[in-house]
Amino acid sequence: DSGVTQTPKHLITATGQRVTLRCSPRSGDLSVYWYQQSLDQGLQFLIQYYNGEERAKGNILERFSAQQFPDLHSELNLSSLELGDSALYFCASSQETGGKAFFGQGTRLTVV
Amino acid sequence: SQQGEEDPQALSIQEGENATMNCSYKTSINNLQWYRQNSGRGLVHLILIRSNEREKHSGRLRVTLDTSKKSSSLLITASRAADTASYFCATGEGGGKLIFGQGTELSVKP
Repeated sequence: DSGVTQTPKHLITATGQRVTLRCSPRSGDLSVYWYQQSLDQGLQFLIQYYNGEERAKGNILERFSAQQFPDLHSELNLSSLELGDSALYFCASSQETGGKAFFGQGTRLTVV
Repeated sequence: SQQGEEDPQALSIQEGENATMNCSYKTSINNLQWYRQNSGRGLVHLILIRSNEREKHSGRLRVTLDTSKKSSSLLITASRAADTASYFCATGEGGGKLIFGQGTELSVKP
């Protein structure tokens, strides 16, 4: 158990819909990362937060947004969903930015 | 954005043999890390090597880093069937990004 909790584990939704993925980092970790993993794109870095502030941005679509709350949990919002958004979404946390990261078990999103 | 490129994409060996995976990257880094992923599950951190280090060991793992060539290698000695997984390198960059390569699929046959 990494100490990082992601909910839900599985999500099936229709095209055009909006979903929210939730991540609770390890106790004491201030940094949260979000990644998208699909078969043809590998593990894509989406966005990183540190102590509530956006720290780094990767290949995150405009339809996607995220935030980190004062209690350090984070949410990734995906809207106007398309079939191509179907993927595993991972959250990871670390004590220092760019340091050793601990991953959650992921949310498997299926868009139908 | 992908920083690391891993080689080979897939590797199949017999139990007891050594497995070597390579990673190349493009920009300057603070550290380079290796992770393991069992099918569809979360990644597990294996080892971190800082940019001013050249070699690091952890159990059966040996990692080297050559910043002049922007490359790293992961050696797993005396492989076991339980080592079967995907292995990813990740570069820790200034500003906090942690960027992963495409991974190497390792299959260790008993």
